[in-house]
Amino acid sequence: DVKVTQSSRYLVKRTGEKVFLECVQDMDHENMFWYRQDPGLGLRLIYFSYDVKMKEKGDIPEGYSVSREKKERFSLILESASTNQTSMYLCASSPPSGSTDTQYFGPGTRLTVL
Amino acid sequence: RKEVEQDPGPFNVPEGATVAFNCTYSNSASQSFFWYRQDCRKEPKLLMSVYSSGNEDGRFTAQLNRASQYISLLIRDSKLSDSATYLCVVNGLGNTGKLIFGQGTTLQVKP
Repeated sequence: DVKVTQSSRYLVKRTGEKVFLECVQDMDHENMFWYRQDPGLGLRLIYFSYDVKMKEKGDIPEGYSVSREKKERFSLILESASTNQTSMYLCASSPPSGSTDTQYFGPGTRLTVL
Repeated sequence: RKEVEQDPGPFNVPEGATVAFNCTYSNSASQSFFWYRQDCRKEPKLLMSVYSSGNEDGRFTAQLNRASQYISLLIRDSKLSDSATYLCVVNGLGNTGKLIFGQGTTLQVKP
């Protein structure tokens, strides 16, 4: 069974803080993704990675960066948190493209920026 | 035009009812199609993949119409536990593994 874990379920930070969201998957998946989900806007892709040390911008990368130093771990970094980054953050992973595009999600981190 | 469009609902149905959701997608080159289910305040989980020939899993039937670029999900004999948001999902451009998610259709099954 695929397991994707995220470091925190709930997080409260102050404006201007640097925030790290961690995601770990145990299925040796090549692809990993970070989304945010907001009411009325659905899931929006922030960044994704298809290999160690590789990263690609998604649809809304501004204000975020990512790190993938190991295959199983994909970190999302908010360099200077702002109130408009209050959201649910979801990490997902999937096997290499061409096998299946099915993505498996972690439980999410609900981030509040005050 | 959104890449994947769904009626957000909510659909309020009594237990035992049959309910159908439709979804349209804009990229005619899309090859992979899915329905995900998301419970309140939880992560999306794969409900079923959608194949060209259509597929069935118990009370759930998914259909794909490539000519009209729409995908449907039919739920028969609705249960209270079917209450959730159903996300229509299509693969993104290129062979990147990216998926495009619809905003979801909310289903509320009432006793």
